Amino acid sequence: GAVVSQHPSRVICKSGTSVKIECRSLDFQATTMFWYRQFPKQSLMLMATSNEGSKATYEQGVEKDKFLINHASLTLSTLTVTSAHPEDSSFYICSAREIPAEQYFGPGTRLTVT
Amino acid sequence: AQSVTQLGSHVSVSEGALVLLRCNYSSSVPPYLFWYVQYPNQGLQLLLKYTTGATLVKGINGFEAEFKKSETSFHLTKPSAHMSDAAEYFCAVSEGDDKIIFGKGTRLHILP
Repeated sequence: GAVVSQHPSRVICKSGTSVKIECRSLDFQATTMFWYRQFPKQSLMLMATSNEGSKATYEQGVEKDKFLINHASLTLSTLTVTSAHPEDSSFYICSAREIPAEQYFGPGTRLTVT
Repeated sequence: AQSVTQLGSHVSVSEGALVLLRCNYSSSVPPYLFWYVQYPNQGLQLLLKYTTGATLVKGINGFEAEFKKSETSFHLTKPSAHMSDAAEYFCAVSEGDDKIIFGKGTRLHILP
C-alpha cells in the first residue's frame, strides 16, 4: 500500500515552454501533497504544500507564479513549471500524506530544460 | 526551528562491516525522526521512523536507529554491510506537523 506515482519520469523541454508534472496517490486519498526539488548531489528542498481544494502554500523564495500547483482531487496534484529556463532543470519529487507525519514519496521527475 | 545535521557527506565501509551513519537534530518539541534511502534517479524510500515509544527502532533491510534525546542523535546502523546498501541516505526531522526537514545526505559506499 501507500504508493505514489509521478508522470513523466523524465522530460526535456525547450526554454520558454511550460511543462506539467503529475503526482498521484494510487491506493489512498491524500488531502495533502508536497513538492520537493533536488539539485544534483544535494538534499530535498520543500517547494510547496498542496492541499486538496485550496491554494498551495509556498516556501520562502519559491515563485508561485512560476511553479503552479493544483490539487484538484484527493489523488492528484500537478506541478506546472511555466516559462521554463535551464536553471529550472532539476529532479522534482512529490510526496503524499496519508496520516500525520507520514509521507510517501514518488519516484521523481527529471526535468531538463534546453 | 528544526534542523538536521548529518556528519560525513561520504562514508565508505567494507562489505560485511558495520555501517554507522550519524545524524543529529534540533527541535523545539519532541521530534519525529526518519531515515530515508535514495537510489540514483529514484525517489525516497522510508527505512525507519521514530515517533514515540521504544527508542531503538528497527527498519527494513536490517537497518536500525536509536533515538537518544540527551545527545539529540538518531544514528543509523546496520551490523553487516551489503553491496546493495550503496546509496544516498537522508536523515529527517518533523515536529509532528506536515513539514519534514531533511539533512544534506550521506553517500554510503561499499568496498568489496
